[in-house]
Amino acid sequence: QVQLVESGGGLVKPGGSLRLSCAASGFTFSDYYMSWIRQAPGKGLEWVSYISGSGTTIYYADSVKGRFTISRDNAKNSLYLQMNSLRAEDTAVYYCARRYNWNDLDFWGQGTLVTVSS
Amino acid sequence: DIQMTQSPSSVSASVGDRVTITCRASQGISSWLAWYQQKPGKAPKLLIYAASSLQSGVPSRFSGSGSGTDFTLTISSLQPEDFATYYCQQGNSFPFTFGPGTTVDIK
Repeated sequence: QVQLVESGGGLVKPGGSLRLSCAASGFTFSDYYMSWIRQAPGKGLEWVSYISGSGTTIYYADSVKGRFTISRDNAKNSLYLQMNSLRAEDTAVYYCARRYNWNDLDFWGQGTLVTVSS
Repeated sequence: DIQMTQSPSSVSASVGDRVTITCRASQGISSWLAWYQQKPGKAPKLLIYAASSLQSGVPSRFSGSGSGTDFTLTISSLQPEDFATYYCQQGNSFPFTFGPGTTVDIK
């Protein structure tokens, strides 16, 4: 069955960096666009970034453009999010998710919490 | 960016009630609309895609309709496990924005 497991979250100071990982299993990883979605505490959902199966097509939300980098390693069935110059407003649960046919998300990981605080 | 709005922001209902949630896009998105259910501490779950297609494994009491700018999610007979927050999301153009959510709680 499809499984997505995020890791790498934690507490980081403003201006710091963190790298999130998402391990995928149960499907042909390279066939799917993958995404990172975040949810600030008590708030709604924000689509952060997505990447095509080959890694050649990438989009970022304006709020993270220039600071975050999405990547994938299809040989390792893994998705990554390198987060630099972190700000307090980046504090959120970060989910990885698989894009389905109509730019919706059919499988989600359990999420990993990133807290940016001094 | 396409802005998504939802109404109401919250609704109190009883088991067995029919519940309708509305989602509106700031510009036409054809049928590029999905609905998700989220329970506290859990990841969202896809319910409806392409505005009206039921995701595999989702009970048939959930249905979606609409196209263009106005969309509806209907729960025909509310069950105890349906108390949650519901989000719409447009997939027409990146960034694929979500609505602010509608919380369905127990009356």
